[in-house]
Amino acid sequence: QKEVEQNSGPLSVPEGAIASLNCTYSDRGSQSFFWYRQYSGKSPELIMFIYSNGDKEDGRFTAQLNKASQYVSLLIRDSQPSDSATYLCAVNILGSSASKIIFGSGTRLSIRP
Amino acid sequence: DGGITQSPKYLFRKEGQNVTLSCEQNLNHDAMYWYRQDPGQGLRLIYYSQIVNDFQKGDIAEGYSVSREKKESFPLTVTSAQKNPTAFYLCASSSPGQGGSYTQYFGPGTRLTVL
Repeated sequence: QKEVEQNSGPLSVPEGAIASLNCTYSDRGSQSFFWYRQYSGKSPELIMFIYSNGDKEDGRFTAQLNKASQYVSLLIRDSQPSDSATYLCAVNILGSSASKIIFGSGTRLSIRP
Repeated sequence: DGGITQSPKYLFRKEGQNVTLSCEQNLNHDAMYWYRQDPGQGLRLIYYSQIVNDFQKGDIAEGYSVSREKKESFPLTVTSAQKNPTAFYLCASSSPGQGGSYTQYFGPGTRLTVL
């Protein structure tokens, strides 16, 4: 079982709709969770991080964390064509160095006009 | 401007050559990292360093070497022992933040091609 799992997609969402991206992780003791966006040929850029159960909102983005279910998600409201990218989930794994995080393989999101 | 710089942006290597990729940060971050990304794949950790003069192997360290002589700099050498080095190389840095999280910030990357 992979430590951080994401559906590779592509996930196709109409413009203006809500895009929902999901991520599961294997280590129940994981502390911190991150979402990055990566455009083709570019480096990842941080969207947001979350470390407490519940929701965290930043503009059109909402991260949701459920530690009991070992599940973290990212919702993108009012999806725009510029949101088309690969979204990487990353998790700090218990037992590793506090500064080391594990990345999922990413979900490709396509926003269709 | 604070940030992470990587050079060169594109690098071509002949088989059997060693090449060194540069990574510099002026964010005053303690930890620095090197990742490799292959087409359509996620990030794989090569090496990381939490403090000057100390570094640890990641998941795919074979064929690579690093040094951390200065807090700002973490160069990566791709040696001839790395059999399939063509990839996108990403450098990142981090420091402890809110909730103890170590949020990593990435440089623009170096695309290495073996001819």
